[in-house]
Amino acid sequence: DTAVSQTPKYLVTQMGNDKSIKCEQNLGHDTMYWYKQDSKKFLKIMFSYNNKELIINETVPNRFSPKSPDKAHLNLHINSLELGDSAVYFCASSQGMGLAGRTQYFGPGTRLLVL
Amino acid sequence: QKEVEQDPGPLSVPEGAIVSLNCTYSNSAFQYFMWYRQYSRKGPELLMYTYSSGNKEDGRFTAQVDKSSKYISLFIRDSQPSDSATYLCAMGGIQGAQKLVFGQGTRLTINP
Repeated sequence: DTAVSQTPKYLVTQMGNDKSIKCEQNLGHDTMYWYKQDSKKFLKIMFSYNNKELIINETVPNRFSPKSPDKAHLNLHINSLELGDSAVYFCASSQGMGLAGRTQYFGPGTRLLVL
Repeated sequence: QKEVEQDPGPLSVPEGAIVSLNCTYSNSAFQYFMWYRQYSRKGPELLMYTYSSGNKEDGRFTAQVDKSSKYISLFIRDSQPSDSATYLCAMGGIQGAQKLVFGQGTRLTINP
């Protein structure tokens, strides 16, 4: 059983297009995240939702808009894609807020290539 | 200066060797320290978790935190080819909810 799943796994698109990435977790967690991993492997948090409420919003262009329809789902919509958006996007989930004893479980990633 | 510094490697060692991976950090508010392992084309998975200073051992893996030096280490004993992966350190503080700051990751290869 997949704990954190993402679709699609690969996404190749043209500059200027709009695309969405979907994430679902079946762990019963109440907190979900989006991370971006660039070509140098730097993994950086973008957003975090707790019980469908946005709690972390890093300095991310407003072309990126997360949406959490329920606790088990967190989607990421990207408008007007740019070359610099090419990266691997990871979804993660955890139970509760705070880091004390809480593990973040990561999905397999979505590889986005903007041409 | 990045908040978390980690040598990206690559690091290549023979099977059975002891591996030492390290990170330094600048934010003294960090209280939680983790090591994640990431296999090629997979998501990171938590390997070790430590709160504040001290050592933690789990099988062949030992995590050390020295808050006075702002330095953390991961040791792998009796390394196996299956340990070949990228190892990312991650850390966070009490403030700011569960925001983790990651190092760049060290790419490790264990040669049979």
